[in-house]
Amino acid sequence: DGGITQSPKYLFRKEGQNVTLSCEQNLNHDAMYWYRQDPGQGLRLIYYSQIVNDFQKGDIAEGYSVSREKKESFPLTVTSAQKNPTAFYLCASSRRRGSQPQHFGDGTRLSIL
Amino acid sequence: DAKTTQPPSMDCAEGRAANLPCNHSTISGNEYVYWYRQIHSQGPQYIIHGLKNNETNEMASLIITEDRKSSTLILPHATLRDTAVYYCIVRVSEGDGGSNYKLTFGKGTLLTVNP
Repeated sequence: DGGITQSPKYLFRKEGQNVTLSCEQNLNHDAMYWYRQDPGQGLRLIYYSQIVNDFQKGDIAEGYSVSREKKESFPLTVTSAQKNPTAFYLCASSRRRGSQPQHFGDGTRLSIL
Repeated sequence: DAKTTQPPSMDCAEGRAANLPCNHSTISGNEYVYWYRQIHSQGPQYIIHGLKNNETNEMASLIITEDRKSSTLILPHATLRDTAVYYCIVRVSEGDGGSNYKLTFGKGTLLTVNP
């Protein structure tokens, strides 16, 4: 079945470590997105990419980095510069044009040890 | 993007229709209305979207008022698995690029389906 796969589901990080969250999609979507969700809050956009080898900062990009070397993959690195990384991270993808909706993965929950 | 207003919570009996309202009085002519839902600890699930006309799919129906200032999501026969937070979002869709890259989720409506 087509969909978006995020791994791992739970991730623990020590202070000062970088960690990479995986996002893979087989929907043949051009655009991919990373959001962060804190408890009881809405989603905030971290980075997005509308095409391979191109990406733009969202509202809260500081302390994060991404790459888009393949259409199917959009990994997110949470760097040690991100001071409050504990959150639920959601990856989404969509077709680029028109009103096409974004479809989400099941998320990765990152916690600091 | 226009702001939306939803009730914080609603209850519905299993097997009955659930009608979730959303106000978007400042919606622009080129903004679509999207509905998503999120079950605890899962990613948001796309339900339906529309511009002017009412829409129906296998999950739900979307009724948009003629002036487009409000809409209602209808789950025709609610089940316990429909218990979730439902989000109403309005967003510009301008084709390539533009401001259509971001979904702005508010607090949504917690729908509880009771047995």
